Amino acid sequence: AQSVSQHNHHVILSEAASLELGCNYSYGGTVNLFWYVQYPGQHLQLLLKYFSGDPLVKGIKGFEAEFIKSKFSFNLRKPSVQWSDTAEYFCAVNAGILTGGGNKLTFGTGTQLKVEL
Amino acid sequence: DAGVIQSPRHEVTEMGQEVTLRCKPISGHDYLFWYRQTMMRGLELLIYFNNNVPIDDSGMPEDRFSAKMPNASFSTLKIQPSEPRDSAVYFCASSMTETGELFFGEGSRLTVL
Repeated sequence: AQSVSQHNHHVILSEAASLELGCNYSYGGTVNLFWYVQYPGQHLQLLLKYFSGDPLVKGIKGFEAEFIKSKFSFNLRKPSVQWSDTAEYFCAVNAGILTGGGNKLTFGTGTQLKVEL
Repeated sequence: DAGVIQSPRHEVTEMGQEVTLRCKPISGHDYLFWYRQTMMRGLELLIYFNNNVPIDDSGMPEDRFSAKMPNASFSTLKIQPSEPRDSAVYFCASSMTETGELFFGEGSRLTVL
């Protein structure tokens, strides 16, 4: 079955610490990859996406992610987190090319990040 | 662009009542998705449409749930009769085939007493 795994369910960091959130997916072949963020009480918003080209993708608010095809991974990173980064982060995969699912995104279970002052 | 518009933002109802949630996707988007989010189950895909046609409704929990998309600019998710376990935030999202990026609405928070 198709799946997206996010290894860390809860992460607590101090401001200025570095962040890396893991994401692995189980599809083979071509995929589109996304990271979404959900701030408390709000809807999901796109942080960054990878379709093709440079596997190191830069997104908004200083976030970046690296696609490593051999590891089926798309980890999210930020060198120095801020209190305002407290939110839930979702990794998502579109494998519609393989499954005929069109634009259907499969989401991971999310990682709750809390940044302490 | 106004983004994906959902209504109502909040709904409180009693068990057994009918609930209708509404969604207006972004103009020009050909995919529309309904998701449900709870603390226990996270983000679940209920159903999605392509060009107004339902493609996959395998996530719809029971026959009490139904969704329609009568035209490209409007969709409804109906629960009849509602139960307390339906309490959740329901998100609508839309996307274009060319980009695959989902744009989410603000959500409808449903509380069934």
